[in-house]
Amino acid sequence: GQQVMQIPQYQHVQEGEDFTTYCNSSTTLSNIQWYKQRPGGHPVFLIQLVKSGEVKKQKRLTFQFGEAKKNSSLHITATQTTDVGTYFCAGGQGAQKLVFGQGTRLTINP
Amino acid sequence: GAVVSQHPSRVICKSGTSVKIECRSLDFQATTMFWYRQFPKQSLMLMATSNEGSKATYEQGVEKDKFLINHASLTLSTLTVTSAHPEDSSFYICSARGLASGRGGEQFFGPGTRLTVL
Repeated sequence: GQQVMQIPQYQHVQEGEDFTTYCNSSTTLSNIQWYKQRPGGHPVFLIQLVKSGEVKKQKRLTFQFGEAKKNSSLHITATQTTDVGTYFCAGGQGAQKLVFGQGTRLTINP
Repeated sequence: GAVVSQHPSRVICKSGTSVKIECRSLDFQATTMFWYRQFPKQSLMLMATSNEGSKATYEQGVEKDKFLINHASLTLSTLTVTSAHPEDSSFYICSARGLASGRGGEQFFGPGTRLTVL
């Protein structure tokens, strides 16, 4: 079945440093979504990418969808303590369901 | 907008009992609801997809007779864990998607239910 791999599993940075998490799918995706889960909380939708090569920005967050629609990345510039949490990518294949990556847990030294 | 509630938020039960978890979309009609299970510090594992008025579609390895799902209305889905055992202890999260999100679109997650089976 479809698999979505996400790396790294953990990332610890100093406040102000950049952070990137990568997502790879074993199959071509129709879309990819990104979610953030704060400690003790539930996943919150960040963004959806649909087009090949698409790049979207939300303030300090930059999301990319690969040309082959099999990989994606989330980059955070100049991290802040409010960025702490686990970031999940989730791939869709045109069907209803999403397959979630393992998540990248981001911790930040203030 | 797009708020999903779950009840109860936490439940502790004895082995062998059944537990019902409710998932409600508060301000939109959820054509599709999803049930996930999340172990500590792990990813969300999809258990089943339910569309209003039809039978749920279960993922491979998920026992449909153990995890009963009912999606009786466009705002309510329930998950019943029957004859719960300690290995069923987990964090159960529902999500909902409405017509505006479209097929394959964003899902709105409930706050989750922490189930502990003694």
